Amino acid sequence: RKEVEQDPGPFNVPEGATVAFNCTYSNSASQSFFWYRQDCRKEPKLLMSVYSSGNEDGRFTAQLNRASQYISLLIRDSKLSDSATYLCVVLSMEYGNKLVFGAGTILRVKS
Amino acid sequence: EAEVAQSPRYKITEKSQAVAFWCDPISGHATLYWYRQILGQGPELLVQFQDESVVDDSQLPKDRFSAERLKGVDSTLKIQPAELGDSAMYLCASSPRDVSGTWGEQFFGPGTRLTVL
Repeated sequence: RKEVEQDPGPFNVPEGATVAFNCTYSNSASQSFFWYRQDCRKEPKLLMSVYSSGNEDGRFTAQLNRASQYISLLIRDSKLSDSATYLCVVLSMEYGNKLVFGAGTILRVKS
Repeated sequence: EAEVAQSPRYKITEKSQAVAFWCDPISGHATLYWYRQILGQGPELLVQFQDESVVDDSQLPKDRFSAERLKGVDSTLKIQPAELGDSAMYLCASSPRDVSGTWGEQFFGPGTRLTVL
């Protein structure tokens, strides 16, 4: 079983739609969680950290469910520029504090 | 805005040849990472440096891969000999310190796309 699993998609949505991605992680001792964004053929960039209480940044909302070991990202009012791959990232305690990346979920926003 | 620099951006080589990639992290960043990203997958950590010391190279195929950061600043990743399965994007990232706390931002360079023929 992979340490971080994501639905690869692609999620094809129209502009203005609300879309949600989930991610599950296997190590219950993991303590820190993040969403990174990666545009096609570009490097990953931090989108937002995920806190236990949930956090919001503009149109983006991230939530953490420790009991079920999943993380979610909600994007409201999708823009064409949101089209990218969204990587779920977990700080792994099992291998000496390293970031473990999921394979990513592809989002395509269309006009 | 400070950035992580990598070179070359693209490299095509034949199998059994040697290749080397270079990374210059953001000034002052003590921690440097090399990742490999195969198409359709997330980045996978190959090696992590804290200053000039290797702190994690458990996923580095040491029979053919080597990495160094001699002065604790820039770093080189080498593959010798290259194999067809090494074709991937090699990403370098840096952070101010080890991501052992709640802050996990790593700043990535543009990567080197390697094609082995």
